Amino acid sequence: DAGVIQSPRHEVTEMGQEVTLRCKPISGHNSLFWYRQTMMRGLELLIYFNNNVPIDDSGMPEDRFSAKMPNASFSTLKIQPSEPRDSAVYFCASRAGTSGSSYNEQFFGPGTRLTVL
Amino acid sequence: GQQVMQIPQYQHVQEGEDFTTYCNSSTTLSNIQWYKQRPGGHPVFLIQLVKSGEVKKQKRLTFQFGEAKKNSSLHITATQTTDVGTYFCAGLRAGSARQLTFGSGTQLTVLP
Repeated sequence: DAGVIQSPRHEVTEMGQEVTLRCKPISGHNSLFWYRQTMMRGLELLIYFNNNVPIDDSGMPEDRFSAKMPNASFSTLKIQPSEPRDSAVYFCASRAGTSGSSYNEQFFGPGTRLTVL
Repeated sequence: GQQVMQIPQYQHVQEGEDFTTYCNSSTTLSNIQWYKQRPGGHPVFLIQLVKSGEVKKQKRLTFQFGEAKKNSSLHITATQTTDVGTYFCAGLRAGSARQLTFGSGTQLTVLP
């Protein structure tokens, strides 16, 4: 199993440019999460999908951020236009469906380190 | 909304010393999970606690879930340099089948 795959691993761009981050969840997982991690704010949940449907996007900072999941094996997080304060590590995570009282673990991808100059 | 607080934010220990991080939730939790993130890496699942008062061990790591299911702790006995990283707790609010709320993490440095 290849685990959660994210691309690119590193992205350096200039303010105002569009940035697209990509994620391939683990096959068979039906929940997908996008997180942002910074020193100041820690690990923040941006949005999560269940069966390709966005369930909670209350963590998305503003309209410049958008996320899609066109199918079970692919998701994108887009920032347009990007700003220096968007610099962070963006993680994608996936999870298999819940079972009983348990809540399955989340598997994180390696992350995309975004730098906006 | 639900808040999950972790203390301390940073901890430096000498190799061989013990280490404990504490996690407190503003609401009752149904489950709590712990993750470890190595420097430059991504969070990796360690364990999940579900029952009130539950205690689980993984070698030198001991995890506890409070009786009221609002707090948890992770204790590492005789730390090693391989224990370096940030430890996160993540709580699932009782009655909710939604997402986890991650704590702010405790960054552990182990000095050789």
